[in-house]
Amino acid sequence: EVQLVQSGAEVKKPGESLKISCKGSGYSFTDYWIAWVRQMPGKGLEYMGIIYPGDSDTRYSPSFQGQVTISVDRSIRTAYLQWSSLRASDTAMYYCARRLPNYYSFEYWGQGTLVTVSS
Amino acid sequence: SSELTQVPAVSVALGQTVRITCQGDSFRSYYASWYQQKPGQAPTLVIYAKNNRPSGIPDRFSGSNSGNTASLTITGAQAEDEADYYCNSRDRSGNHLVFGGGTKLTVL
Repeated sequence: EVQLVQSGAEVKKPGESLKISCKGSGYSFTDYWIAWVRQMPGKGLEYMGIIYPGDSDTRYSPSFQGQVTISVDRSIRTAYLQWSSLRASDTAMYYCARRLPNYYSFEYWGQGTLVTVSS
Repeated sequence: SSELTQVPAVSVALGQTVRITCQGDSFRSYYASWYQQKPGQAPTLVIYAKNNRPSGIPDRFSGSNSGNTASLTITGAQAEDEADYYCNSRDRSGNHLVFGGGTKLTVL
């Protein structure tokens, strides 16, 4: 069974750093792109970027380029999304999702990680 | 604002047919995917590559493209179909992905 399991909810202060994770299981981890998607409270889905675990090829949405870093550790089948300095506006639910091969669609999703940034 | 435009809200009577649309120039070149999201849950893919359904998605869900508009049609809407629906595709440049703003479907 394909699963993407994300790390737990985080509460942080503005200016702090954070790294959240997404662990894949039940499939060949290095063969499928993994994306990160933001959903701010009461708002829609926003595509942030995507990484190919096989070679760490990473593409960022222009809206998120320079704001976050996407990375992967193949040895533990885990993708990451990190911030060096959080802002209150980063408060959101963050989902990881596995891309369907040969299509620009996301078939499997993690359960989401809620990040709250507040002083 | 998103490059993909969705009507914010649509309603349908139980058992009737509803079409949810998504407009964007990218649909002249690329197909849409559609996702269903219920409150407190992660999104679920319901249609990809214009009109393909993942395993487990009922056949009352179908997709189509015409010009710059992609559509998700639910034929015989059920109460459990009440949810937010999002389209996604490549952006105009073809280099990135983008989501529509979402449509809240109410089943009356």
